[in-house]
Amino acid sequence: GDSVTQMEGPVTLSEEAFLTINCTYTATGYPSLFWYVQYPGEGLQLLLKATKADDKGSNKGFEATYRKETTSFHLEKGSVQVSDSAVYFCALSDPDMRFGAGTRLTVKP
Amino acid sequence: KAGVTQTPRYLIKTRGQQVTLSCSPISGHRSVSWYQQTPGQGLQFLFEYFSETQRNKGNFPGRFSGRQFSNSRSEMNVSTLELGDSALYLCASSPSGQVNTEAFFGQGTRLTVV
Repeated sequence: GDSVTQMEGPVTLSEEAFLTINCTYTATGYPSLFWYVQYPGEGLQLLLKATKADDKGSNKGFEATYRKETTSFHLEKGSVQVSDSAVYFCALSDPDMRFGAGTRLTVKP
Repeated sequence: KAGVTQTPRYLIKTRGQQVTLSCSPISGHRSVSWYQQTPGQGLQFLFEYFSETQRNKGNFPGRFSGRQFSNSRSEMNVSTLELGDSALYLCASSPSGQVNTEAFFGQGTRLTVV
């Protein structure tokens, strides 16, 4: 069945460092891809999405490009802030949502 | 527009009991999905309801059931609770549940089984 594999955490970075969280997927069809973020004590919030190959989703300085040839949707940010500390989930929809295991990011001042 | 509301936020139940969790979706959303989140298993899909019908179901035992009402509000029931059912239960709504649409999540109900 469809599945998502994302980079194991936790990830600890200093403020203003470059962030990459790897995500690859397995799907029989053509899923939509998402990154969700979960702050402590909260539900998940959509960070960005891409619905077809070569689409780039972006929001709040985060970006991810739907790469069909490598079945990947890696999350990147050029300069992280302390407020970006959270758990990040890669997900696909085909049409059920399937989530990766989540990657905990801690950004230190 | 009000977000997805889940009640209660916290629950403590005893093994063997049953529990009902409630989810009110965003107004106008007809699809409601339920997920179980645990440290060991991560986020796992339970089921999805659309227009009062269960449209998709994850791989959970029959102790887990749900329903959706005509106003799109949904309830999830777990019977004969086990210690392993302790988790954060998340509800998500979307307008139609189609592939390209995002899901909007509630804050979850944290269930502790003792």
